[in-house]
Amino acid sequence: NAGVTQTPKFRILKIGQSMTLQCTQDMNHNYMYWYRQDPGMGLKLIYYSVGAGITDKGEVPNGYNVSRSTTEDFPLRLELAAPSQTSVYFCASSRPRSSYNEQFFGPGTRLTVL
Amino acid sequence: KNEVEQSPQNLTAQEGEFITINCSYSVGISALHWLQQHPGGGIVSLFMLSSGKKKHGRLIATINIQEKHSSLHITASHPRDSAVYICAVDTGTASKLTFGTGTRLQVTL
Repeated sequence: NAGVTQTPKFRILKIGQSMTLQCTQDMNHNYMYWYRQDPGMGLKLIYYSVGAGITDKGEVPNGYNVSRSTTEDFPLRLELAAPSQTSVYFCASSRPRSSYNEQFFGPGTRLTVL
Repeated sequence: KNEVEQSPQNLTAQEGEFITINCSYSVGISALHWLQQHPGGGIVSLFMLSSGKKKHGRLIATINIQEKHSSLHITASHPRDSAVYICAVDTGTASKLTFGTGTRLQVTL
């Protein structure tokens, strides 16, 4: 199993550009999450999904959108990128209602908006 | 005030030392996670606790639900333990996690 994969690893955007961060998991996990990590701060939840077709906002959803058309994929869309969205983005997945509800993290995408 | 507080923020130890990292939280939880973030950025789960104590190799995690406090201990520390250790709490809704800011550990020879 590849686990959770994310693409791209790095990206530089200009202000106002748009992009999609891709996230795929091959563990058949129902729950998926997008986090951002800023220097000196804890990870913050952007959006999450409890299954295909179901998404909900986390702590910091403004400026982002998500979709969940399949169990495997959970892309994060940035519209009109702003410097405040410069961050490292992590996708994670987990299996609910298990005795060990570990979250598995992707390797991260480092995004810079200039 | 953050819902999850970790201490210390930074920790330097010599190889072989016993290390303790603390985590306090202020909300009701269904579980507490300890995670490790390597210098390269990858995040891996170390433990998930809902009560008591768990041990894996040289790592031990404990939780006191009444006091809303957890500790991560590393016995016989080694330079390869150098990483950021992150405490996170699961409040039970969709297993969403709220994270502490992490403890940066450096173990020197």
